[in-house]
Amino acid sequence: GAGVSQSPSNKVTEKGKDVELRCDPISGHTALYWYRQSLGQGLEFLIYFQGNSAPDKSGLPSDRFSAERTGGSVSTLTIQRTQQEDSAVYLCASSSSSDTEQYFGPGTRLTVT
Amino acid sequence: DAKTTQPTSMDCAEGRAANLPCNHSTISGNEYVYWYRQIHSQGPQYIIHGLKNNETNEMASLIITEDRKSSTLILPHATLRDTAVYYCIVRVYSSASKIIFGSGTRLSIRP
Repeated sequence: GAGVSQSPSNKVTEKGKDVELRCDPISGHTALYWYRQSLGQGLEFLIYFQGNSAPDKSGLPSDRFSAERTGGSVSTLTIQRTQQEDSAVYLCASSSSSDTEQYFGPGTRLTVT
Repeated sequence: DAKTTQPTSMDCAEGRAANLPCNHSTISGNEYVYWYRQIHSQGPQYIIHGLKNNETNEMASLIITEDRKSSTLILPHATLRDTAVYYCIVRVYSSASKIIFGSGTRLSIRP
């Protein structure tokens, strides 16, 4: 079946602009996660959603970052007033309520110039 | 901070078994050991997980020491496609549990 998809695959934006990154999880998966990976670095947790519970936002690096998940499916990660240090690959993952494995999408490569 | 310690890099000859060690001396009783890998330019991929018994699936075997303070991931017959960064992670067994990634082991398979 279809895996986790993310769009766009690449995004180049100017410093100070806002960007929106989209994640389509695997159908039926109740948990959705956002991570980011800066060049040559490991993966850093940002936020996760589980069903109708309040999201865990403990990994968001600043108030310029926000995310929402509409209808328990698609999620959008928004970065306002982008900075060069926001340049990274943003990865989305999802998991089902009966499974502890997280399935990752291909990521969105964000470049802030 | 990540709760695991892994060598920065390793290499292995194609066709041989690749043994990747991981130390997790502070693992709690309710935490499992998970392994993921990340092939260049792709998202991480789940490999295997275990609590205290050794586990095997179509991809790999996981050997956990009796005191659970360390484990070894074994790729029985490494191929060039196994070249990746391998992450050893400890986390609670839950579908709603974020993953804290460490720096992983960069495994290179040589022909």
